[in-house]
Amino acid sequence: DSGVTQTPKHLITATGQRVTLRCSPRSGDLSVYWYQQSLDQGLQFLIQYYNGEERAKGNILERFSAQQFPDLHSELNLSSLELGDSALYFCASSDRDSNEQFFGPGTRLTVL
Amino acid sequence: DAKTTQPTSMDCAEGRAANLPCNHSTISGNEYVYWYRQIHSQGPQYIIHGLKNNETNEMASLIITEDRKSSTLILPHATLRDTAVYYCIVRRNGGSQGNLIFGKGTKLSVKP
Repeated sequence: DSGVTQTPKHLITATGQRVTLRCSPRSGDLSVYWYQQSLDQGLQFLIQYYNGEERAKGNILERFSAQQFPDLHSELNLSSLELGDSALYFCASSDRDSNEQFFGPGTRLTVL
Repeated sequence: DAKTTQPTSMDCAEGRAANLPCNHSTISGNEYVYWYRQIHSQGPQYIIHGLKNNETNEMASLIITEDRKSSTLILPHATLRDTAVYYCIVRRNGGSQGNLIFGKGTKLSVKP
């Protein structure tokens, strides 16, 4: 158990819909990262927040957005969903000085 | 960040040492070598990292060549639970700020 929690575990929805994925980092961790893992693209970095501020952006689509709240939990919002958005979405967290990122168990999104 | 090259797959007998190679010939002087693994759709798990000296922890050993252009992750006594995809990642500095760029990794199969 990494200490990072993600909800829900599974999500099944239809094209065109909007969903929100939630992540609670390890206690005390200020950085939260979101990654997407699909069969054809592998694990790809989406976005990072540090203490509520966006820190880095990767291959995140404009239809996707994220935020980190004052209690440090984070949400990833996916809108106008397409079939190709079906993937595992992982959240990771790290503290200010740690060298390692701790990953959550992921949310499996299926878009039908 | 520098790119890495790893074999697509490897087999190892249970109880034997698993030696996973990684080439990172374009690594810069301030870039670290990190290893993560992912056990079947679970969140990636940090294993070890190093800059130029060999490193050992309770999970594995990391051997980095003197020119730093390649490294080897060693699992001294592989078990069936070590079956996973192992990712070698080269990353600037050891701080927590910075996403991980995952390649395709090496699929290690530990066989009885």
